[in-house]
Amino acid sequence: DSGVTQTPKHLITATGQRVTLRCSPRSGDLSVYWYQQSLDQGLQFLIQYYNGEERAKGNILERFSAQQFPDLHSELNLSSLELGDSALYFCASSPSDEQFFGPGTRLTVL
Amino acid sequence: GESVGLHLPTLSVQEGDNSIINCAYSNSASDYFIWYKQESGKGPQFIIDIRSNMDKRQGQRVTVLLNKTVKHLSLQIAATQPGDSAVYFCAENINNAGNMLTFGGGTRLMVKP
Repeated sequence: DSGVTQTPKHLITATGQRVTLRCSPRSGDLSVYWYQQSLDQGLQFLIQYYNGEERAKGNILERFSAQQFPDLHSELNLSSLELGDSALYFCASSPSDEQFFGPGTRLTVL
Repeated sequence: GESVGLHLPTLSVQEGDNSIINCAYSNSASDYFIWYKQESGKGPQFIIDIRSNMDKRQGQRVTVLLNKTVKHLSLQIAATQPGDSAVYFCAENINNAGNMLTFGGGTRLMVKP
């Protein structure tokens, strides 16, 4: 158990809908990262937050957004969902360089 | 279980043998490297890391080797066990790029009893 929690574990929704994925980092970790893992793209970095501020952005679509709250939990919002958004979404937290991953949320868009 | 990739290169080893998993990284400016293990249905699990000022680092049953000249990273697992069966990813990090990790495509390790 990495200490990073993610909810929900599974999410099934329809195209065009909006969903919110939630992540609670390890106690004391200020950095939160979001990654997408799909069969054809592998693990791809989406976005990083550090103590509430956006720190780095990767291959994140404009339909996706994230935020980190004062209690350091983070949410990833995915809107106007498409079939191709079906994937595993992982959150990781980090005290410095090492990143510890949560169990992921499996999103299925029908 | 859920598969993380259907067309991953696969390494099949006998229980008790040593395993070597290789990774070519892309960016010569990368200065920190991590190996992760991912079991079916789970998130990546940290195994071992190495900084670019080192060429070898050892952990419990695992050793990471870094060859910066050819941008190559390897993970050696001693006395491979059935519980080592998983997909292994290398990841590289450029510290001035916000600590984002760039992952390799992964290698599936299968341990035969």
